[in-house]
Amino acid sequence: ETGVTQSPTHLIKTRGQQVTLRCSSQSGHNTVSWYQQALGQGPQFIFQYYREEENGRGNFPPRFSGLQFPNYSSELNVNALELDDSALYLCASSLFSGSNTGELFFGEGSRLTVL
Amino acid sequence: DQQVKQNSPSLSVQEGRISILNCDYTNSMFDYFLWYKKYPAEGPTFLISISSIKDKNEDGRFTVFLNKSAKHLSLHIVPSQPGDSAVYFCAASALGFGNEKLTFGTGTRLTIIP
Repeated sequence: ETGVTQSPTHLIKTRGQQVTLRCSSQSGHNTVSWYQQALGQGPQFIFQYYREEENGRGNFPPRFSGLQFPNYSSELNVNALELDDSALYLCASSLFSGSNTGELFFGEGSRLTVL
Repeated sequence: DQQVKQNSPSLSVQEGRISILNCDYTNSMFDYFLWYKKYPAEGPTFLISISSIKDKNEDGRFTVFLNKSAKHLSLHIVPSQPGDSAVYFCAASALGFGNEKLTFGTGTRLTIIP
């Protein structure tokens, strides 16, 4: 059983650029969530995808967007990067059955630095 | 608004003693609470959870206590071991949202002193 994998692990962008982060869900999982963890903070919910549709969104602007593919892998796209977007981006997968409890399986994260 | 609060950024405990990590929440809609553990350069890993219908859940050396009236939960680790040194995040969810949005605290860095 493979775990959640994310790529790239580290990247540096400049303000105004766009970035795409990728995530492969754990085998058998149908739901993927993305979290942003700024330095010294806990992870913050960006959005969740279930059956290729957004299923809940946190307090993030529209320039944060995502996709879930038929194989349940996912992408997080951030347009018009700002300095405050510098953070660790965590992907988490789970098997959603309508009565879930929040036990998510996280990847190691993609650390984004915006200069 | 910080709906889940961990007021102690760090905690040091002697090996073999009890570690107690605390967490407070403000949102009455939360009905499931979890603790995650994070090592450097790794993603958070699930440790233990508790439903709001219970006041205690135990799993080996780890016990979580929930006091709903005080909106407070705590994680007890006994006995503490050097491998327990990590950052611990308290998290909460509200099942009625139909998704698994977790609201995390800011974490407590636990250091176990050999």
